[in-house]
Amino acid sequence: DIQMTQSPSLLSASVGDTVTISCRASQDISDSLVWYQQKPEKPPNSLIHASSILQSGVPSRFSGSGSGTHFTLTISSLQPEDFATYYCQQYNDYPITFGQGTRLEIK
Amino acid sequence: HLQLQESGPGLVKPSETLSLTCSVSGTSIGDSAYFWGWVRQPPGKGLEWIGTIYNSGTTYYNPSLESRVSVSVDTSENQFSLTLKTVTAADTAIYYCATGPDSTVGDIFDDWGQGTLVTVSS
Repeated sequence: DIQMTQSPSLLSASVGDTVTISCRASQDISDSLVWYQQKPEKPPNSLIHASSILQSGVPSRFSGSGSGTHFTLTISSLQPEDFATYYCQQYNDYPITFGQGTRLEIK
Repeated sequence: HLQLQESGPGLVKPSETLSLTCSVSGTSIGDSAYFWGWVRQPPGKGLEWIGTIYNSGTTYYNPSLESRVSVSVDTSENQFSLTLKTVTAADTAIYYCATGPDSTVGDIFDDWGQGTLVTVSS
C-alpha cells in the first residue's frame, strides 16, 4: 500500500495569513493526488486534483504543487471559511489511500 | 453535480452484517460514465477508502476489508450498495458514498453523500 503522510497535523493561523500543508507519498505517485477540504459534520469537498488543477468553483487562493512523492497545498490570504480539516489522497494505485489530515484552526 | 443519499440501519449488532444503499440522482447509474465508491470515517478520525465499482462491473476493495466487503450496483433502482459482514466495534463510522468520472485517471471523488453514522453495538 502507498502510505500518505501529511504535516503538520495541526496548523494555527490567522485570517489573511498564507499557509502550506505538506503531503508525502511512500512511493512515486506521479501527479495522482487530490486535496479535500472537510468541515465539521460535512462530507469532504474536492479542491484540487492532478496535484495542481483547481476544481471548478474553488477560489484561486487555493493552489497545489508537487510530483512524485512530495506535494503541497497552499492557501493564500486565509478567509474565515477556510478553517477546516484538509486531506490528501492518492489515486495512482489501489488501494486508494488518504493522508491522516491537517486541521487548520484559527490562532 | 450528482446527488447521493445513503440509507440503512444506524445500529448493527456485533458479528452481524452491515448493509447500506446509496441512491443516485442526476444521472442514470447504468448509462453513466462514473465510478461508485464507499469511504468511511470513524468518529473524530480520518478517511478510509472501502471500495469502488466501475460500470464494467470491476470492483476494487481495501485489502484490510476485502474478505468481508462487497459493493454492487442496482440499475433498476438507480442505486449502489455496500455490504460488510461480521462487523465489530472497529467498524463504527460515518459511511459515505461517493462518485467521480470513470476515466483512466483514477478515483477522484467529486460528489459525496452526506454520510450516515453506523454504530456497532449490542
